Amino acid sequence: RKEVEQDPGPFNVPEGATVAFNCTYSNSASQSFFWYRQDCRKEPKLLMSVYSSGNEDGRFTAQLNRASQYISLLIRDSKLSDSATYLCVVLIYNQGGKLIFGQGTELSVKP
Amino acid sequence: GAGVSQSPSNKVTEKGKDVELRCDPISGHTALYWYRQSLGQGLEFLIYFQGNSAPDKSGLPSDRFSAERTGGSVSTLTIQRTQQEDSAVYLCASSLEGKRGTVAQPQHFGDGTRLSIL
Repeated sequence: RKEVEQDPGPFNVPEGATVAFNCTYSNSASQSFFWYRQDCRKEPKLLMSVYSSGNEDGRFTAQLNRASQYISLLIRDSKLSDSATYLCVVLIYNQGGKLIFGQGTELSVKP
Repeated sequence: GAGVSQSPSNKVTEKGKDVELRCDPISGHTALYWYRQSLGQGLEFLIYFQGNSAPDKSGLPSDRFSAERTGGSVSTLTIQRTQQEDSAVYLCASSLEGKRGTVAQPQHFGDGTRLSIL
């Protein structure tokens, strides 16, 4: 079983739709959580960190449930420019700060 | 199946020494990427190999850094005359090459090499 698992997608949605990505992690020592997005042939870029209380940045909302070891990302009013691959990432400090990446969920927003 | 394999998993070396990091991508993946992650920083792209094309070296931070990919498979990242600021986790990823105009093919990351320069 992978340490960080995501829906592989692809998610094909129309503009304006709301889309939710799910992620689960298996290592209870995971201490920091992030969502990255990755555009074609570009490096993954940090989209947002994920906090226990949940956090929002514009159209993006991230949630963390430590008891269930579950992370989510909600995108409202999706735009064409949201088309990318979204990576769920966890940081495990007791392994020297090892970053564990999910394989990514592909999103394609259509006109 | 086998994922992206990187070695060593940890490397501690003295300032000024050369280091060599290895990446073995997933079989059949034509694209290979090197990134590094410094403490508190996001992923930083270093170099990208795609098939037999000339690599995209635009992310290499200095001429002390070089990489090669032999036979379209295994890649080696070499850092010469290491400096303390080179300390980071060096991540390798591989992917199938997506069609132009589509979203990126998922990149499969290795576990990384944690490099510490004393």
